[in-house]
Amino acid sequence: NAGVTQTPKFRILKIGQSMTLQCAQDMNHNYMYWYRQDPGMGLKLIYYSVGAGITDKGEVPNGYNVSRSTTEDFPLRLELAAPSQTSVYFCASSLTNYGYTFGSGTRLTVV
Amino acid sequence: KQEVTQIPAALSVPEGENLVLNCSFTDSAIYNLQWFRQDPGKGLTSLLLIQSSQREQTSGRLNASLDKSSGRSTLYIAASQPGDSATYLCAVHYGGATNKLIFGTGTLLAVQP
Repeated sequence: NAGVTQTPKFRILKIGQSMTLQCAQDMNHNYMYWYRQDPGMGLKLIYYSVGAGITDKGEVPNGYNVSRSTTEDFPLRLELAAPSQTSVYFCASSLTNYGYTFGSGTRLTVV
Repeated sequence: KQEVTQIPAALSVPEGENLVLNCSFTDSAIYNLQWFRQDPGKGLTSLLLIQSSQREQTSGRLNASLDKSSGRSTLYIAASQPGDSATYLCAVHYGGATNKLIFGTGTLLAVQP
């Protein structure tokens, strides 16, 4: 009964470093999403996937990459971390377009 | 442009009061609308989901309404409690090719004991 699991919960990166934020769901949801939340700015969609092997850009995709090799997993990759990527990242999933379940978030600081 | 606005940005009420949070959206061609709760440093918890064909949904002390024609939704919280203190986010889902869930910036609610 895990829902959407994100790891790590916290991370500090130096400028130029790379990392992968992990997201896994056990609800057999076909849709998965990555959002970032900046203070006072609401949530912005980075990338989304409608099923294994299919991904597409959201509103703010620059500086990120994703892959969806399985239904369960949807990792988000930061190749060259920049201070502007300091944010809280949320992964979410949904069955078709009905209702979203969110993970608990990854708080990333780039220094 | 599809935008979602929440008013007020912050609200403080004494315990026991009934209150209304407002959400407005510019594009009425929505698929559904969802209200979330977010506690400090935590993820989002889904409270209520209203499909575009529905007018309201109720869960316990919460009631959400939807008026597509005017581009508005409200979240009514009855008999507020200090445990209701959190940020409440409204999110509008536009299906089809865009498949976007567009969030408002939230209302920060503080219920004073």
